[in-house]
Amino acid sequence: SAVISQKPSRDICQRGTSLTIQCQVDSQVTMMFWYRQQPGQSLTLIATANQGSEATYESGFVIDKFPISRPNLTFSTLTVSNMSPEDSSIYLCSVDREGYTFGSGTRLTVV
Amino acid sequence: GIQVEQSPPDLILQEGANSTLRCNFSDSVNNLQWFHQNPWGQLINLFYIPSGTKQNGRLSATTVATERYSLLYISSSQTTDSGVYFCAVEQAGGSYIPTFGRGTSLIVHP
Repeated sequence: SAVISQKPSRDICQRGTSLTIQCQVDSQVTMMFWYRQQPGQSLTLIATANQGSEATYESGFVIDKFPISRPNLTFSTLTVSNMSPEDSSIYLCSVDREGYTFGSGTRLTVV
Repeated sequence: GIQVEQSPPDLILQEGANSTLRCNFSDSVNNLQWFHQNPWGQLINLFYIPSGTKQNGRLSATTVATERYSLLYISSSQTTDSGVYFCAVEQAGGSYIPTFGRGTSLIVHP
């Protein structure tokens, strides 16, 4: 299975600011996935990131709020823009290689 | 879309006890995985098990695809087993995106 390095592991941010989360995979993958996990909840898919094309967003998530970059087959970033306390969550990236593997997660607190 | 139900939602055990977690799904699946989310939020893949039985140490899992359920067995539980256990499935003929259950929150007391 793949190994994913995700950073930052946690951050506390002021409302109105933006945070960019990075994920680096140890092998080339076609698709990378970004999830949000609100406190006490299950995982919700934000978007699927393909290299060389725009990300595909799930219902309820928009590019202006969660812009995603996918410059190559091993790297992706997710930005949480204009943050509010409701954005406080764990954000995780994932790839599918012989089963889904997740990054270690970014625990975001917006104050 | 496919529905995934996990039970029980919460479980409290004394160290050394055994437990069984269940995942029911509403349609045929191509893939099924069990994950453990530790108290720090990290999701660890336990089993990739669309059918059959697998064992890894004190943990084992069985998926009966024809009856649309999977079971995760934890034997001789330890405090480090605490966390949330998620089941995730990929619907056959559907999106490649996994659907997650709501999870089972496990607390193991020393």
